[in-house]
Amino acid sequence: GQQVQQSPASLVLQEGENAELQCNFSSTATRLQWFYQRPGGSLVSLLYNPSGTKHTGRLTSTTVTKERRSSLHISSSQTTDSGTYFCAMEPGNMGYKLTFGTGTSLLVDP
Amino acid sequence: ETAVFQTPNYHVTQVGNEVSFNCKQTLGHDTMYWYKQDSKKLLKIMFSYNNKQLIVNETVPRRFSPQSSDKAHLNLRIKSVEPEDSAVYLCASSSGQNANSDYTFGSGTRLLVI
Repeated sequence: GQQVQQSPASLVLQEGENAELQCNFSSTATRLQWFYQRPGGSLVSLLYNPSGTKHTGRLTSTTVTKERRSSLHISSSQTTDSGTYFCAMEPGNMGYKLTFGTGTSLLVDP
Repeated sequence: ETAVFQTPNYHVTQVGNEVSFNCKQTLGHDTMYWYKQDSKKLLKIMFSYNNKQLIVNETVPRRFSPQSSDKAHLNLRIKSVEPEDSAVYLCASSSGQNANSDYTFGSGTRLLVI
């Protein structure tokens, strides 16, 4: 089955620093999405980016489909960015099943 | 308010009991899902329904059974719970085949089996 690996597993930053999260997947993805989960909270969709570069606020995602990798860049981190970031992929575009990565736990210290 | 609503938020039960979790979405989506998140935060798909039809049924113990009365509701029943069923169960919905993903998750049901 499909596998999705994320790195690093955890990351500690000082407020204001930038973060770079990586996601590698084992098969070609036509759906690639980044999610955020606050401790004890639900999953919130951040960016849908199956290819190319997408921006929203302080977030930038770059997906290179042929190389089966995606990254999420968080600029000027804030303490409220602390939580777990997941990438999730789906090989087809049927919309019926996401395979999630192992997650990156981010802690931003004041 | 348009969202995905799950009940209960938290449930504690003993081994061997039966539990049911409810999920409702008011987003007009065609597809609904159940995901399981374990203690290590690993997320795995359990079931997917599209317009009340079962589309995805992963390798899940037979004591788990999803139930969909219409495309806005997807419940999950667990007969005779086991300790390894302790987890957070997340319900989600989406437009399904719409490439501009609109995956929306509920707040989850945390199950503790003692």
